[in-house]
Amino acid sequence: DAMVIQNPRYQVTQFGKPVTLSCSQTLNHNVMYWYQQKSSQAPKLLFHYYDKDFNNEADTPDNFQSRRPNTSFCFLDIRSPGLGDAAMYLCATSRVRATNEKLFFGSGTQLSVL
Amino acid sequence: QQPVQSPQAVILREGEDAVINCSSSKALYSVHWYRQKHGEAPVFLMILLKGGEQKGHEKISASFNEKKQQSSLYLTASQLSYSGTYFCGTRYNDYKLSFGAGTTVTVRA
Repeated sequence: DAMVIQNPRYQVTQFGKPVTLSCSQTLNHNVMYWYQQKSSQAPKLLFHYYDKDFNNEADTPDNFQSRRPNTSFCFLDIRSPGLGDAAMYLCATSRVRATNEKLFFGSGTQLSVL
Repeated sequence: QQPVQSPQAVILREGEDAVINCSSSKALYSVHWYRQKHGEAPVFLMILLKGGEQKGHEKISASFNEKKQQSSLYLTASQLSYSGTYFCGTRYNDYKLSFGAGTTVTVRA
């Protein structure tokens, strides 16, 4: 089945130690999003790629970076994780950017920072 | 801009009904509804576009009141499987999907 896959499911890192989360998709969608979801809160958009075009949200800290080497893969890099970055990170895709497009989510990566 | 969801939480017995509201202060182009179970990814339920249409997914339906800039999700004859957190996502005149804070639904036997 076509899907959005995130690895790993759980990630533990140390304070200040760089960490990379990965997302892959078999849907051949043009758009890939990264959302941060803290406990009991709504998912918050960090940035997205439309094809190779990177779009950062204004309030996303510089500590968060992303790479999309090809259509199928997208990575979230946290350069120096702080305790406040512990959260569920959700990758999502959509075919195009349009008001009637739904998002397909991966199962998420739960990040813990020690 | 984040939509406002209410109530924050609701507890139901199997077979009971509930309504979850999602409202915005800005003109909406579309409203999405997702359900998320604990520790899992949000799952798409339905999307409503401008025009006040009503849609359904099993015994879950939703409406979009364009005049009020509000959408309501109706859980009818709730089942245990309906438990989870329901998020509305709103789109304005662009592609960004902003989520409300969520409504936690607990259905008890």
